[in-house]
Amino acid sequence: QKEVEQNSGPLSVPEGAIASLNCTYSDRGSQSFFWYRQYSGKSPELIMFIYSNGDKEDGRFTAQLNKASQYVSLLIRDSQPSDSATYLCAVKTSSNTGKLIFGQGTTLQVKP
Amino acid sequence: GAVVSQHPSRVICKSGTSVKIECRSLDFQATTMFWYRQFPKQSLMLMATSNEGSKATYEQGVEKDKFLINHASLTLSTLTVTSAHPEDSSFYICSATGGQSKYYGYTFGSGTRLTVV
Repeated sequence: QKEVEQNSGPLSVPEGAIASLNCTYSDRGSQSFFWYRQYSGKSPELIMFIYSNGDKEDGRFTAQLNKASQYVSLLIRDSQPSDSATYLCAVKTSSNTGKLIFGQGTTLQVKP
Repeated sequence: GAVVSQHPSRVICKSGTSVKIECRSLDFQATTMFWYRQFPKQSLMLMATSNEGSKATYEQGVEKDKFLINHASLTLSTLTVTSAHPEDSSFYICSATGGQSKYYGYTFGSGTRLTVV
């Protein structure tokens, strides 16, 4: 079982729709959870992080965390073509190294 | 916000030569730096973790004698790919954090595209 799992997609949504990206993790002691966006050929850029159960909203983005189910998701409202990218879920595990483990990423395509 | 400067952004080198990649934290002290490698259409794979003043901890399968990491100060870490070969061609990215608490975030450098010919 991979430590962090995402559906590779592609996930295709029409412009203006809600895109829902999902991620599961195996280490129950994981502390913090991050969503990064990566455009082709570029470095990842942080969208949101969350470390408490529940929802966290920032503009068009909402991160949801359910530690009991070991599940974290990212909702993008009013999707725009510029949101088309690969979205990486990353988890800070319970080890004391502080390292982030990345999922394989989900490719999102927002069609005009 | 926190900024990590990574250089060079692109490098082409001949097989058998060595290449050094630098990462600098510009406005915070990076107690820990992480080095990742990313092949086309794949996710980021952690290569090693380095703490200032300590030897790097390498992930399983990563050759420490080939990928030399130095983290001599709280603002600078370097990755040297020694005796590079075409299979080392990849996108190398550094990431820095100011602490291991769950409240600390991670800042990524802009990445280095290495091509070995």
